[in-house]
Amino acid sequence: NAGVTQTPKFQVLKTGQSMTLQCAQDMNHEYMSWYRQDPGMGLRLIHYSVGAGITDQGEVPNGYNVSRSTTEDFPLRLLSAAPSQTSVYFCASTSRGNEQFFGPGTRLTVL
Amino acid sequence: AQKVTQAQTEISVVEKEDVTLDCVYETRDTTYYLFWYKQPPSGELVFLIRRNSFDEQNEISGRYSWNFQKSTSSFNFTITASQVVDSAVYFCARNSGGGADGLTFGKGTHLIIQP
Repeated sequence: NAGVTQTPKFQVLKTGQSMTLQCAQDMNHEYMSWYRQDPGMGLRLIHYSVGAGITDQGEVPNGYNVSRSTTEDFPLRLLSAAPSQTSVYFCASTSRGNEQFFGPGTRLTVL
Repeated sequence: AQKVTQAQTEISVVEKEDVTLDCVYETRDTTYYLFWYKQPPSGELVFLIRRNSFDEQNEISGRYSWNFQKSTSSFNFTITASQVVDSAVYFCARNSGGGADGLTFGKGTHLIIQP
C-alpha cells in the first residue's frame, strides 16, 4: 500500500507555462482533494472530488483545473502558471470513516 | 466559509514546560469532525487526532491531550513536558460530517521548544 503519492516533488516553471501535478491513491477512496499551502495561510482547499467524474471547487479554485476519470487519480492542472501560484501543493484522499491521508507534497516555484 | 481560528501564531517555551495550542471553529453542521496535524520542518503532514462532534470526551495519548468543548466551539491541544522534537507547526482543521468536501484549516501555530 503506497497510500497517496504525488509527483513531482519539486518543480520550477516560467510564467505562462502549463503543467500537471499528479496525485494517485491505492486505497480505493472515493473522496480526494487538493490544497495549497502558503506561509502564514495554512492549507486552503483548491478543488475536491467525491468520486470518478465528479469534481467541485474549493476556496481558491482560480487558475486550476481538475478531472477525475478514475478512482485512483486526481491530477491538478495549471493552464498558465503565475508567480502567485508559487506554493506547496498537497493532495489528500479521505476514507468513509473520515480518515484523511495526505501525500508528501509538491513544491512549485513560478518565476 | 466556516472558519477555524488558531489565534496563536507562534509560541516559544523552554523544554519540559507544558504548552496549550488553542483552536476555535465555526460550524452550522450538527455532525462534523475536528483534526490536529503536525508539520515538522521536513514538511509532511502528520496526523495526530480525529474527533467526531458527538464525542466530547477528552483524549490523552502519551504527552498529548485534547480538550473538546462544543459549548465554546473549541478543540485545544496540550503538550505536557514538551521536548525539542515537538517543535513544528501545528494545524487544527474541521470538515463536515460526510467528509466529502475537504478540510478547512486554521492558519497554524508555530511551536518552538528551546532546549
